[in-house]
Amino acid sequence: QSVLTQPPSVSGAPGQRVTISCTGSSSNIGAGYDVHWYQQLPGTAPKLLIYGNSNRPSGVPDRFSGSKSGTSASLAITGLQAEDEADYYCQSYDSSLSEVFGTGTKVTVL
Amino acid sequence: QVQLVESGGGLVKPGGSLRLSCAASGFTFSDYYMSWIRQAPGKGLEWVSYISSSSSYTNYADSVKGRFTISRDNAKNSLYLQMNSLRAEDTAVYYCARVGGGVTVNWFDPWGQGTLVTVSS
Repeated sequence: QSVLTQPPSVSGAPGQRVTISCTGSSSNIGAGYDVHWYQQLPGTAPKLLIYGNSNRPSGVPDRFSGSKSGTSASLAITGLQAEDEADYYCQSYDSSLSEVFGTGTKVTVL
Repeated sequence: QVQLVESGGGLVKPGGSLRLSCAASGFTFSDYYMSWIRQAPGKGLEWVSYISSSSSYTNYADSVKGRFTISRDNAKNSLYLQMNSLRAEDTAVYYCARVGGGVTVNWFDPWGQGTLVTVSS
């Protein structure tokens, strides 16, 4: 059972903005630990999308952005494209459990 | 380019053992912590274990502690996961990943393509 909670699914039309929340607690995100985000396209391995709350690795479009506040973090996708249809996971450190992942969110492009 | 290639997955009976390998290339393997992460069929990601660059430090998820052992051979640029006393709930795709950041700021990048472990009688 994951300690980071994400909505099971979000959807949007092409060009729209969608956000994915990642809710934790005082032993992980709320304790100040960074949040990272991954994109998993169907049938492939996860790929790092955001690290250190809001940093994009080289090659990741600036349509993807991350933020963190209190015990939660968010991933925003602006200008939604068909190729963004995937599963998205947040990840952080928990003082009791070590590394933890979110429950995952499926993004559907309408 | 940085590449991680897992191998060693397969079908094993409950209580059995399996050893996974991950071959690394395109970076100085001995400079990085490495990790194993798994994903049960149709489920989310679960961190399994990581090991420091010199093998001096290892850590495990509670779900595998005492049954799985992570190790590495820097001379061979290889990471391993010895899995004993396997259970049905260990059935998953196992990914190896390079660890970025440090201490409690760890992210995983890149990931290998994964190897499927199926525990069933």
